[in-house]
Amino acid sequence: SQQGEEDPQALSIQEGENATMNCSYKTSINNLQWYRQNSGRGLVHLILIRSNEREKHSGRLRVTLDTSKKSSSLLITASRAADTASYFCATGGAGNKLTFGGGTRVLVKP
Amino acid sequence: DVKVTQSSRYLVKRTGEKVFLECVQDMDHENMFWYRQDPGLGLRLIYFSYDVKMKEKGDIPEGYSVSREKKERFSLILESASTNQTSMYLCASRKTGGVSYEQYFGPGTRLTVT
Repeated sequence: SQQGEEDPQALSIQEGENATMNCSYKTSINNLQWYRQNSGRGLVHLILIRSNEREKHSGRLRVTLDTSKKSSSLLITASRAADTASYFCATGGAGNKLTFGGGTRVLVKP
Repeated sequence: DVKVTQSSRYLVKRTGEKVFLECVQDMDHENMFWYRQDPGLGLRLIYFSYDVKMKEKGDIPEGYSVSREKKERFSLILESASTNQTSMYLCASRKTGGVSYEQYFGPGTRLTVT
């Protein structure tokens, strides 16, 4: 079963706008990761936040983690057409496995 | 630059055929994973391996087997392909230990079973 559930399932925005997507999970975690997948391709790692961190930035990406609510959000600022992709959250627990959510499809219109 | 390669981007097989999907990584990673991806279901773990000749079942191992004879190579085997195994298959690898290591993915193999 999926650990993470992304919300919304799909998002359509204009270039230059911000895109926010959320991820909820069920069990305790060591870290939470976000990945991007361009159409028909493999996943690319974007950012990792540890369970003892609350916020992390990487370029135009901002990730928050609230372990009390078992939720995370990914914010992409000043979106570009090249940000059009599916975004997945993945939770890491004990061991080396990740559990992925169903993903959010983001369309950035030029 | 780190690299995970998969033997085919697209594959069409007939029901009942034995299918081999190959994955090779050049990062000397201990851990390797096979996922399948279906619309609306995200990625589901089929099998993973944390060392040569070691394997563990993931969430959906039924109908699949794996082989890891060398550290860099992890093979997924469909003993008798069925139409419900039509899917995108993704291989990944990861360095062992620590909580800050991400998974590196191959480009995927889109398998169609007719």
